[in-house]
Amino acid sequence: AQSVTQLGSHVSVSEGALVLLRCNYSSSVPPYLFWYVQYPNQGLQLLLKYTSAATLVKGINGFEAEFKKSETSFHLTKPSAHMSDAAEYFCAASMEYGNKLVFGAGTILRVKS
Amino acid sequence: AAGVIQSPRHLIKEKRETATLKCYPIPRHDTVYWYQQGPGQDPQFLISFYEKMQSDKGSIPDRFSAQQFSDYHSELNMSSLELGDSALYFCASSLTTSGPYEQYFGPGTRLTVT
Repeated sequence: AQSVTQLGSHVSVSEGALVLLRCNYSSSVPPYLFWYVQYPNQGLQLLLKYTSAATLVKGINGFEAEFKKSETSFHLTKPSAHMSDAAEYFCAASMEYGNKLVFGAGTILRVKS
Repeated sequence: AAGVIQSPRHLIKEKRETATLKCYPIPRHDTVYWYQQGPGQDPQFLISFYEKMQSDKGSIPDRFSAQQFSDYHSELNMSSLELGDSALYFCASSLTTSGPYEQYFGPGTRLTVT
């Protein structure tokens, strides 16, 4: 069964520092991969998606992620953290479009001033 | 741009009562998904519909049922509610025949069972 692992349930960075949120998937076939952000008491907003067209994917709000098949990883990065980035981030995977999403446990990002 | 609409946004029920959650997908989207997010947990897939037919089923209790209507809105019916059903319930929609294929989520319905 497909699974998604997010290393680190909480990540704390200073404002202006690099953000790195880790995501690994387990699947013999590279799935479609997504990063979603959830602000308190709100729904899930899509940040970016990997669809096999390009390994480096750029998303909204300055985030990007790189798909590395050899490492079965899809880590999310942002060069410079902003206070407004504080939220919970979920990595998710699906085997094909139209299929259910399998989510990681989530990583809460805290940005210190 | 139109988004996924869910109603109600908040719902308080007592144990053993019934609840109905509604979802209105983005216009022209052909697939609807339901997810349950418990406190401090990641969303878990419950059920999905493609063109009004059930397309996939996850860890949905037998006490729950869902359907998609001719106007594409979907309803999640939950009976004999238990304390453990307290959660945030998300509906998402996507256009799987021609894209964009990603799932767009609604704001969720927060169900509290007392």
